[in-house]
Amino acid sequence: EAQVTQNPRYLITVTGKKLTVTCSQNMNHEYMSWYRQDPGLGLRQIYYSMNVEVTDKGDVPEGYKVSRKEKRNFPLILESPSPNQTSLYFCASSLYGQELFFGEGSRLTVL
Amino acid sequence: AQKVTQAQTEISVVEKEDVTLDCVYETRDTTYYLFWYKQPPSGELVFLIRRNSFDEQNEISGRYSWNFQKSTSSFNFTITASQVVDSAVYFCALSPPNAGKSTFGDGTTLTVKP
Repeated sequence: EAQVTQNPRYLITVTGKKLTVTCSQNMNHEYMSWYRQDPGLGLRQIYYSMNVEVTDKGDVPEGYKVSRKEKRNFPLILESPSPNQTSLYFCASSLYGQELFFGEGSRLTVL
Repeated sequence: AQKVTQAQTEISVVEKEDVTLDCVYETRDTTYYLFWYKQPPSGELVFLIRRNSFDEQNEISGRYSWNFQKSTSSFNFTITASQVVDSAVYFCALSPPNAGKSTFGDGTTLTVKP
């Protein structure tokens, strides 16, 4: 089954404790991207990747890192999480110009 | 810079009413893609439609229809004879042809009451 898998789905952590949200897709898509969803603010793009070893900033990259060492994986790294990074995070993948396939979302709470 | 505006934050209708969700966009690209996505209460994001900037034909899919007007930079979505299952947050989105930086509107929350 074609899918985008994110882990963990739910996480409560404390300020400053590094964490990684993993994202994996099995559709051989070149393009992957991370978004955060906050009430009233829609989906805002954090980072995107056009292919392996190619990443670029979206609209809200501050406080996040990504890497794309393999085509299927695109982890989101929060080196020192802060409470303003409490949000619902979505990973997505697509063929260029096609619709996005989204993961189920990861709800992160930073205390 | 790209921008997508969904001016309607919330809409509430009674079942069987028709409802139109507005989407206005801004871009300097001459070629681009427009999308609509649905987020039901369960939280997943579901693709509904994609439109190329060079294709202004309206599209109908069952009770759903989309009106793309380049002259007004709008890509509106109409649900005919709404049903309770249509209750969701709907997002309009814009992206360049190579994907890259994609921009979503803030979403419109549609509530369909029985």
